[in-house]
Amino acid sequence: NAGVMQNPRHLVRRRGQEARLRCSPMKGHSHVYWYRQLPEEGLKFMVYLQKENIIDESGMPKERFSAEFPKEGPSILRIQQVVRGDSAAYFCASSPFKGSLNTEAFFGQGTRLTVV
Amino acid sequence: AQTVTQSQPEMSVQEAETVTLSCTYDTSESNYYLFWYKQPPSRQMILVIRQEAYKQQNATENRFSVNFQKAAKSFSLKISDSQLGDTAMYFCAFMKETSGSRLTFGEGTQLTVNP
Repeated sequence: NAGVMQNPRHLVRRRGQEARLRCSPMKGHSHVYWYRQLPEEGLKFMVYLQKENIIDESGMPKERFSAEFPKEGPSILRIQQVVRGDSAAYFCASSPFKGSLNTEAFFGQGTRLTVV
Repeated sequence: AQTVTQSQPEMSVQEAETVTLSCTYDTSESNYYLFWYKQPPSRQMILVIRQEAYKQQNATENRFSVNFQKAAKSFSLKISDSQLGDTAMYFCAFMKETSGSRLTFGEGTQLTVNP
């Protein structure tokens, strides 16, 4: 059972370009979470998605950032018109649906975005 | 909203010795979960240990154990017989019972194990 797969591992974009980060959850997992880790800081929650549905996007910047988790395919975190301050490591985590029971999320290896 | 505080940005320990990392949190929830994650230089987030708030017994995983003080909202991690491979950033994290698996992280403690 493969773990959470994120690609690319490293992404370099020029200011003003678009960045697309992909996350394939573990097999059987229907919940995906995106976190951002700025240099020398902890992980900050961005968005929580189920397939075809955004559950909680309270941590997402209001502009330029969007996320989706389609019925087929990976979850995508999209950053439009990137700025230097978007340079960070972006982590995806997934968890299975277990009704009212919570379970820990499993993390991917992250995508390091560098904006030049 | 929940907050997690790790007051030790950096710590060091000699190989084979014991070290304790501190974590405090603030919440109005009665049911929740607490975690310690390890992030080595590879950046992979690795779950070290997990504690359910309704359990009074402290969790233990091999050389790793916690001291969970619910009334004080304290959740420290003890690493016994430290090994060089324990060198990493350690994050304390909080999860509400009702928020799926969404985590609130502390700022982290960089632990260095010296030979």
